[in-house]
Amino acid sequence: AAGVIQSPRHLIKEKRETATLKCYPIPRHDTVYWYQQGPGQDPQFLISFYEKMQSDKGSIPDRFSAQQFSDYHSELNMSSLELGDSALYFCASSSREAGGTDTQYFGPGTRLTVL
Amino acid sequence: AQKVTQAQTEISVVEKEDVTLDCVYETRDTTYYLFWYKQPPSGELVFLIRRNSFDEQNEISGRYSWNFQKSTSSFNFTITASQVVDSAVYFCALSEADNNAGNMLTFGGGTRLMVKP
Repeated sequence: AAGVIQSPRHLIKEKRETATLKCYPIPRHDTVYWYQQGPGQDPQFLISFYEKMQSDKGSIPDRFSAQQFSDYHSELNMSSLELGDSALYFCASSSREAGGTDTQYFGPGTRLTVL
Repeated sequence: AQKVTQAQTEISVVEKEDVTLDCVYETRDTTYYLFWYKQPPSGELVFLIRRNSFDEQNEISGRYSWNFQKSTSSFNFTITASQVVDSAVYFCALSEADNNAGNMLTFGGGTRLMVKP
């Protein structure tokens, strides 16, 4: 079965640079989520989109922005990178289920290293 | 506010032992969902199970079983006859249930399980 695709899988950037992470959800999934997982920590929710509209927002820094496109893929744009942004960034996708919450399926993650 | 607590940060067992991973949650919602995810050393997050707050039936899937007790706000996960391949970090997670899509997951701190041969 097709899974969530994230690119790139690894990214190395310098401080103050920008980075763009991409996420391609499972086919026919309409909701995308972004999470950040620091070393030895649990994943922290950043933001989600349903049908190309922002749905829920967590602890996403103002330096970060995201959007979902017409083909349902999503991009997380990160500017003015800081050392503390070094983390594993997960994208997850789900299919809207009536009257309930959706099971989120995660991609393999993008490991971002800021030097 | 939602909160998930996994008190066991690390557990080490010998292969074929049974092991239970504890999860305690807090939420003001009357309707919510609970999840378990596995994160092996390769780093991906693998979905294991989802349970809604209305369904307190225990579930068994092969060597895995889950015990949901609403009275104690716990959703524990037992691996029977553990194997080396079970070595991973296991996360318990909670999500509120409403009619909005895109609800966030709140994760516990994770339990690192090491199964030794």
